[in-house]
Amino acid sequence: DIQMTQSPSSLSASVGDRVTITCRASQGIRNDLGWYQQKPGKAPKRLIYAASSLQSGVPSRFSGSGSGTEFTLTISSLQPEDFATYYCLQHNSYPPTFGQGTKLEIK
Amino acid sequence: EVQLVESGGGLVQPGGSLRLSCAASGFTFSSYEMNWVRQAPGKGLEWVSYISSSGSTIYYADSVKGRFTISRDNAKNSLYLQMNSLRAEDTAVYYCARGDYGEDAFDIWGQGTMVTVSS
Repeated sequence: DIQMTQSPSSLSASVGDRVTITCRASQGIRNDLGWYQQKPGKAPKRLIYAASSLQSGVPSRFSGSGSGTEFTLTISSLQPEDFATYYCLQHNSYPPTFGQGTKLEIK
Repeated sequence: EVQLVESGGGLVQPGGSLRLSCAASGFTFSSYEMNWVRQAPGKGLEWVSYISSSGSTIYYADSVKGRFTISRDNAKNSLYLQMNSLRAEDTAVYYCARGDYGEDAFDIWGQGTMVTVSS
């Protein structure tokens, strides 16, 4: 199975900050990676697909980059509604595997 | 509107069975692969099972293999998860999610249904 190592596991930041979350795959996955935002009691919502493509309707302050084994999600200027938990997901091969999650909290 | 709606969750005793359903609307269900993903209370996301658009290809996580069965009825726009021999560690919110490749990979998720395994 492909292991996805996500860091950091938690992050405190302020409104307006720029933040970056990283996922590292245990083997190459091309660009078969998505980023998801999950708020308490809600289903995950896809933000980024194919590592760097912005999901329709998602604000442009979210961006993704990377290919192969290293991937990043960047939020350019945090807004109050962005405080949530973020997950990466690789779907290059079965089983699909998620990162452990990053909980983004208000400082 | 593209939508997935899960149902069938509830409280069941260890060793019991439950059948989850996922009703799809707003898209051509028969054209899409589907998945089940679960999330234990306070924990991360775990993929559970996959079924191809025709139902001919199926995969399971090792943790549920031999106990869970995924199926679909394209005429009814519905996905199912039959869960047998349930254990306490199966307690989770179960989500259905659409797709597994490219732009469609895990793009749409249902709201989830809670399964609690407890005596």
